[in-house]
Amino acid sequence: SQQGEEDPQALSIQEGENATMNCSYKTSINNLQWYRQNSGRGLVHLILIRSNEREKHSGRLRVTLDTSKKSSSLLITASRAADTASYFCATDSFGNEKLTFGTGTRLTIIP
Amino acid sequence: DVKVTQSSRYLVKRTGEKVFLECVQDMDHENMFWYRQDPGLGLRLIYFSYDVKMKEKGDIPEGYSVSREKKERFSLILESASTNQTSMYLCASMGGSYIQYFGAGTRLSVL
Repeated sequence: SQQGEEDPQALSIQEGENATMNCSYKTSINNLQWYRQNSGRGLVHLILIRSNEREKHSGRLRVTLDTSKKSSSLLITASRAADTASYFCATDSFGNEKLTFGTGTRLTIIP
Repeated sequence: DVKVTQSSRYLVKRTGEKVFLECVQDMDHENMFWYRQDPGLGLRLIYFSYDVKMKEKGDIPEGYSVSREKKERFSLILESASTNQTSMYLCASMGGSYIQYFGAGTRLSVL
């Protein structure tokens, strides 16, 4: 079952601009993660934010979590061509090791 | 670095064939997962395993089975391949952190 829904489905921006993508989910969560997938490859973990955290940074990535709205956003600053990929949010719930993934945002960085 | 290796990047099989997809991880992780990924549907969980010889059905187990005889290896079996099983198959492993580590994927075509 799909828990997360990313928005927008696709995003194209100029290199150097910031990219923001959003994720909404339906049920209470323990953690929320963001993953990146380059075309035709496996997913790579980017960042994990716990349900009691509101914001987290890792390099050029900034993730926010609003549990009252059941939503999260991923901001990539100063985008590069190498950031072109699909981005997925994934959630887990307490006592459940399974992740539920959204359908992803396809990000294209235009050089 | 965690390494998850899927035995084939591309496979072409005929309808009715028995198909084995192999996945090996090198981090002594308890949990392993098989997903399929289709355009517009995101990642859907087929089966997962939380220990040797233990398995649980995911969201779409029909037409698939799994085997986990050793901790590092998790196999997905298509008993009688059908054209609607043409897809990208992704294997992942997970330790205690809820972070999943993915293989590069196997693109399976069933003709």
